Amino acid sequence: SYVLTQPPSVSVAPGKTATITCGGSNIGGKGVHWYQQKPGQAPVVVIHNDVDRSSGVPERFSGSNSGNTASLTISRVEAGDEAAYYCQVWGTGNHLIFGGGTELTVL
Amino acid sequence: QVQLVESGGTLVQPGRSLRLSCAASGFTVSDYDIHWVRQAPGKGLDWVAVLSSDAMDTFYADSVRGRFTVSGDFSRNRLILQMTSLMPEDTALYYCGRDRGGGLIDHWGQGTLVTVSS
Repeated sequence: SYVLTQPPSVSVAPGKTATITCGGSNIGGKGVHWYQQKPGQAPVVVIHNDVDRSSGVPERFSGSNSGNTASLTISRVEAGDEAAYYCQVWGTGNHLIFGGGTELTVL
Repeated sequence: QVQLVESGGTLVQPGRSLRLSCAASGFTVSDYDIHWVRQAPGKGLDWVAVLSSDAMDTFYADSVRGRFTVSGDFSRNRLILQMTSLMPEDTALYYCGRDRGGGLIDHWGQGTLVTVSS
């Protein structure tokens, strides 16, 4: 079965850039979606189809996908960006595959 | 506006059954694929099942296939997740989510908590 691998945690100072990776075999050939989940809340999509920002998501959020790695990049990180981030692709049989999630900590 | 509301979660003993509901408003459930995704306490997102838009197809994660059944109650614009032979590892917050296409969940409910424990 297809596996998505994310680092468990990423830490970044305010104002710096955070990059969260999502590894998968030939993931560049799939559409990747990124969700942000804050404590006690449901996930919210921030990036869909590799690079498209969802409505209301700041331009500081961007995505890329090539080869075996997709990435979510957050520029000029703010305290409010602290959350868990999940990558996700659409698998065979109409099922969803999620990465294990990355906790973003703003120092 | 689009809204999804899950209900039915509770504390249940191992081996027992439980039925969850996902009520939709602001759109017609039968027009979309609707997924169930769960999240164990302190863990990540775990896909459970999907009901296709025409209700002709259902797909399940290996961990629940044969125990869980997803169906549509379209007269009430809602989905049902029937869970049987529940195990402690089924303990989680269960979300339903609308698939906008390509597996993109554009709207999620707030979840309903299922705790399987004796």
